[in-house]
Amino acid sequence: EVLLLESGGGLVQPGASLRLSCVVSGFSFRSYAMSWVRLAPGKGLEWVSAISATSISTYYADSVMGRFTISRDNPRYTLYLQMNSLRAEDTAVYYCAKSAVTGYFYGLDVWGQGTSVTVSS
Amino acid sequence: ERVMTQSPATLSVSPGERATLSCRASQSVSSDVAWYQQKPGQPPRLLIYGTSTRATGVPARFSGSGSGTEFTLTISSLQSEDFAVYYCHQFNDWPQTFGQGTKVEIK
Repeated sequence: EVLLLESGGGLVQPGASLRLSCVVSGFSFRSYAMSWVRLAPGKGLEWVSAISATSISTYYADSVMGRFTISRDNPRYTLYLQMNSLRAEDTAVYYCAKSAVTGYFYGLDVWGQGTSVTVSS
Repeated sequence: ERVMTQSPATLSVSPGERATLSCRASQSVSSDVAWYQQKPGQPPRLLIYGTSTRATGVPARFSGSGSGTEFTLTISSLQSEDFAVYYCHQFNDWPQTFGQGTKVEIK
């Protein structure tokens, strides 16, 4: 069974940092691009960031560019999202998700249950 | 950035009826569109990728069509479990983007 399990969320003050982790199992992690997507309260899904299977390519939404960093550790089957200079508007449930096709950035066929991030003073 | 605009924002449908959801891209995204279903408290579920390919386990009543800038998700006969929010997603260009969602509610 393919599983993705996020962790690392919590309540932080504006300007703080958090690192989210996503541990995966049940598939060849090193063969798939991965993404982070968030859902803010009362809003729709927002794509945040993506990373290629070998970490050569990374991409970010304009809203997080320069503040968030995506990375992965293939031997540990883990995806990360380092979030710095957090703002109230970063408050959301953060999901990690797997590309549906090996080697390509594609539709996202498996999602974790999400980890909640709240940025508030 | 390719803006994905979904319509309508809310669709009221009776069980057994057909539902047609639209998604328009601000620029061509070829066939690089996926559709997801999301229910409260759950992660999104992939329904369709590559515009028209159903994901594993997705019932045949869900179908996708379109190309370029106009895309459609059709649910041929709504079941009780289909009432949810639906999102389109383009992965043709960076940044990837989602539509704002269409809520399908019981009429």
